Amino acid sequence: AQRVTQPEKLLSVFKGAPVELKCNYSYSGSPELFWYVQYSRQRLQLLLRHISRESIKGFTADLNKGETSFHLKKPFAQEEDSAMYYCALKGSGGSNYKLTFGKGTLLTVNP
Amino acid sequence: NAGVTQTPKFQVLKTGQSMTLQCAQDMNHNSMYWYRQDPGMGLRLIYYSASEGTTDKGEVPNGYNVSRLNKREFSLRLESAAPSQTSVYFCASSLDPGLWTHGYTFGSGTRLTVV
Repeated sequence: AQRVTQPEKLLSVFKGAPVELKCNYSYSGSPELFWYVQYSRQRLQLLLRHISRESIKGFTADLNKGETSFHLKKPFAQEEDSAMYYCALKGSGGSNYKLTFGKGTLLTVNP
Repeated sequence: NAGVTQTPKFQVLKTGQSMTLQCAQDMNHNSMYWYRQDPGMGLRLIYYSASEGTTDKGEVPNGYNVSRLNKREFSLRLESAAPSQTSVYFCASSLDPGLWTHGYTFGSGTRLTVV
């Protein structure tokens, strides 16, 4: 079974500090991983896809197959980064169109 | 370009009442999904429709039914609402099962309270 674990429910940092949101996955094949962000009372938005290796709003995430991790990082957090972040894993085989989400990490960036 | 539109945005039901949550997308996406979001539980898949004419159960389908009315619309019905169904419901769509250029596009959610 595929599983996504976000070990931190809450993460609080100060503005300008580095931030890392952890995501670990359990999956037997070649994973496709995503980060979604949800700002207060807004819809979820796609932040990153590991395939594209892009940097959005200063965030990056590297897939580490050895550690089965896909941690989200930003070197200098901003107050506007405060949001709920979800890591998600794309299914395979008959489930290759479904996303399995982690439980989310609420990031608070303090001034 | 509206994307994914959900109605209503808010709803309060009494236990035992029924209601239908509506979802429509205008992006010509093939696949549509219903998730519920609960504190500490993340997003859990209720039902999905890989393509027009098909629907399948997700992780937490009990107490719900769905209808893929056409390619644009995917509704979620609560036949007899229970307090455990108090949640925020999100509809999402994706272009195609094998194409993940943009992942899912989400609606703005329906906040449902069952008293």
